[in-house]
Amino acid sequence: GENVEQHPSTLSVQEGDSAVIKCTYSDSASNYFPWYKQELGKRPQLIIDIRSNVGEKKDQRIAVTLNKTAKHFSLHITETQPEDSAVYFCAATLAAGNKLTFGGGTRVLVKP
Amino acid sequence: DTGVSQNPRHKITKRGQNVTFRCDPISEHNRLYWYRQTLGQGPEFLTYFQNEAQLEKSRLLSDRFSAERPKGSFSTLEIQRTEQGDSAMYLCASSPARGDEKLFFGSGTQLSVL
Repeated sequence: GENVEQHPSTLSVQEGDSAVIKCTYSDSASNYFPWYKQELGKRPQLIIDIRSNVGEKKDQRIAVTLNKTAKHFSLHITETQPEDSAVYFCAATLAAGNKLTFGGGTRVLVKP
Repeated sequence: DTGVSQNPRHKITKRGQNVTFRCDPISEHNRLYWYRQTLGQGPEFLTYFQNEAQLEKSRLLSDRFSAERPKGSFSTLEIQRTEQGDSAMYLCASSPARGDEKLFFGSGTQLSVL
């Protein structure tokens, strides 16, 4: 089955700096890669996703890049703000509507 | 709130007792998923339904776990003879019809087995 590795496990940045989280996946057939943000005690919320036919996608201060050859994808947060502090999870799935396999999460702390 | 609803939010039980959780997905979402999340870890897939059909179960789902979605709407997850290792957050998620992978999660049920 699919296996997703996520790094780093914790990330501390100064407000205004950029944050980058990287994930690798094992199954080359995976074709959908979402990112979820989970604040303490709350539900995971989808913040951005990318499909395998696209190399990059951007939504305001967040962007995701995908390298299918290397089987890795990354989340980029620019101009970080204190409200970006949360745990971020990457995930991958083989087919439309199939189960997601999650990475272990990255705890991001944005220091004011 | 038209999001995914889970009940109860918290459940404390003694080892050996049975517990049941309920999930109400977003209306008209055909797919419903159960995940388990322990502190500091990503959600782990347990099982999922397409309408009332249970299409896949993880090896994590021992014989003590059973899930149902009898009418293709709400779902229940039952754990029999609970063990301390069952303590976790149980998350439910739903997604629209086939072809749309976006999962929308509920707030979860936090289970503590004493």
